Amino acid sequence: EADIYQTPRYLVIGTGKKITLECSQTMGHDKMYWYQQDPGMELHLIHYSYGVNSTEKGDLSSESTVSRIRTEHFPLTLESARPSHTSQYLCASSSQNLNTEAFFGQGTRLTVV
Amino acid sequence: DQQVKQNSPSLSVQEGRISILNCDYTNSMFDYFLWYKKYPAEGPTFLISISSIKDKNEDGRFTVFLNKSAKHLSLHIVPSQPGDSAVYFCAASAGNQGGKLIFGQGTELSVKP
Repeated sequence: EADIYQTPRYLVIGTGKKITLECSQTMGHDKMYWYQQDPGMELHLIHYSYGVNSTEKGDLSSESTVSRIRTEHFPLTLESARPSHTSQYLCASSSQNLNTEAFFGQGTRLTVV
Repeated sequence: DQQVKQNSPSLSVQEGRISILNCDYTNSMFDYFLWYKKYPAEGPTFLISISSIKDKNEDGRFTVFLNKSAKHLSLHIVPSQPGDSAVYFCAASAGNQGGKLIFGQGTELSVKP
């Protein structure tokens, strides 16, 4: 079983609020990722990090920001939530090996009303 | 432009029969391919993978086939069980692009008793 945790699992919040989605892993993985998924659609990479103090934007443009101050922690922040941000957010991590699987957390289902 | 495509949004199979899920890709730089299983409101779970140097990888009831010339891979599940009912995502990565996973849209498998 993968040791990667996301909180909260579900979040309903009003427009304009600032939110932070938490993601932590205990596997010592250097690489971490945030994906966004809408129902019936593919997972889109929105942020990734290859180590502490390293963050990059993914293929899908996102208004969210991330930080990587500690290896095990990769939080995602939305400064001002909007209904268009309603989606499922999935955090993942993987080792430094190139051909290796990524382990996913259980996801955060965000609803902005 | 979608680099990984799963053209069948859904598949229904009788218990005990074979399930075949298909995936096509366009990026010839992809060198590692994975299949994930996902339940609603959960994170994807890694199932099986294959490197581009192979054409087949087997793990229990799951077998992945890779046809590089056709840029096509498939996942075979035999025998199918009701517990296999979920959404299956195909993913691919390129070592020279940092190993980020690019996902298809998913195929919802329903295994009927």
